[in-house]
This record gives sequence, C-alpha cells and structure tokens, in this order.
Amino acid sequence: GIQVEQSPPDLILQEGANSTLRCNFSDSVNNLQWFHQNPWGQLINLFYIPSGTKQNGRLSATTVATERYSLLYISSSQTTDSGVYFCAVVTRGFQKLVFGTGTRLLVSP
Amino acid sequence: NAGVTQTPKFQVLKTGQSMTLQCAQDMNHNSMYWYRQDPGMGLRLIYYSASEGTTDKGEVPNGYNVSRLNKREFSLRLESAAPSQTSVYFCASRNHGTYEAFFGQGTRLTVV
Repeated sequence: GIQVEQSPPDLILQEGANSTLRCNFSDSVNNLQWFHQNPWGQLINLFYIPSGTKQNGRLSATTVATERYSLLYISSSQTTDSGVYFCAVVTRGFQKLVFGTGTRLLVSP
Repeated sequence: NAGVTQTPKFQVLKTGQSMTLQCAQDMNHNSMYWYRQDPGMGLRLIYYSASEGTTDKGEVPNGYNVSRLNKREFSLRLESAAPSQTSVYFCASRNHGTYEAFFGQGTRLTVV
C-alpha cells in the first residue's frame, strides 16, 4: 500500500520562529490534506491541497504532486501552534484516506 | 451544521464486553471512515465505506465489525473488547467531489 512519511518527527521552536514540515508519499494520490491535532486531541483541517500553493494567515502549504511531496510552512510560530501535524492522502482507486506518521511540534514562549 | 458527530465521547468497558460506537454526518458525504489512535501514535484505518452499502477493511480490522446503516451513519462494533483495543477512535467523512475529509471529536475507549 501507499507509504506516507513525514519529517521531521519532532520539532521544538522558540515563539516567533519559522518552520517547514514535509510530507512524502509513495504513489499518485487524488488529494492531500494537512491537519493539526491540538493538545486536546481534536483534528483540525488546515489545508485541502492536491496541488499548488495555498495560504491561510501564518500558514501556507505547497504540494508538488508530480514529485510526490507536500510542504507546510509555519511562520512566526505561536505557542498555540503546538501539537501534532498530520498529512493525509486519498489513494487512487481504493478511496482510502491514509495518514502520515506526523510531526510533533512544541513551541515554547 | 453539526458536521461529524460521534457518540459516546468516553467509555470504559470490561474485557469481553461488547459495544457499538456511533458516527453520523450531516454533509451528505459518500465515504466514511473509522480510525484508531494509540497514545503518541498516528491514525490507523480500521474500516471504511466508500458508499452506502459497501464496507472494506483497512490496516487494523481484526476485532471490529462495521455497519453502514444509511448514507448518514457508520457504526463500529467491538464484539468482545480486549485491553489492546484501548484507544481513541475517530470517525471521518469525505466529500467525493472535493475529496476533503472532516473528523468527529473522537471517542476515548478504555478496556480494563
């Protein structure tokens, strides 16, 4: 089946720093989403981005489908950005929604 | 617009007991999914339903059964709970048109 790998697995930042999270996937996909799981366990939709670039405030994402990767940029990080960031892809044909391994982010004041 | 609603939010079971986790969505989505998330881990797919009347196994289906009751509802049943099934369970639904998925709040299940 498709493999979805995220890097880095853990990231510690000072408030105000910028960061880039990466998601690599091993096969063609119909869709890619980025989620933030907050410290209370809630999964929050950040981006639906099968290709191209999108921005939402301090966050932006880019997916290069032909090269099978996506990047999530966080600028001017805040303590509320802490949590786990997941990418997830929809596999062609089988319609499964497969999650990546996650990046755990801790932003300290 | 409630989105995806899971019940219950918390549950404690004794080993060997059975229970059904309920999930309902009001977005007219075709696909629905059940995941489990163990502490410090990612989400693993248990079962999914690409459309009403169909269900398929995911990565970790053993010990679970599902029912796609209608387009809105997708339930997950544990017939004989085991401590290894202690986890947080998430339900999701997905729009076939945009492919975007939405998640419920999760059910925290403890089996003692």
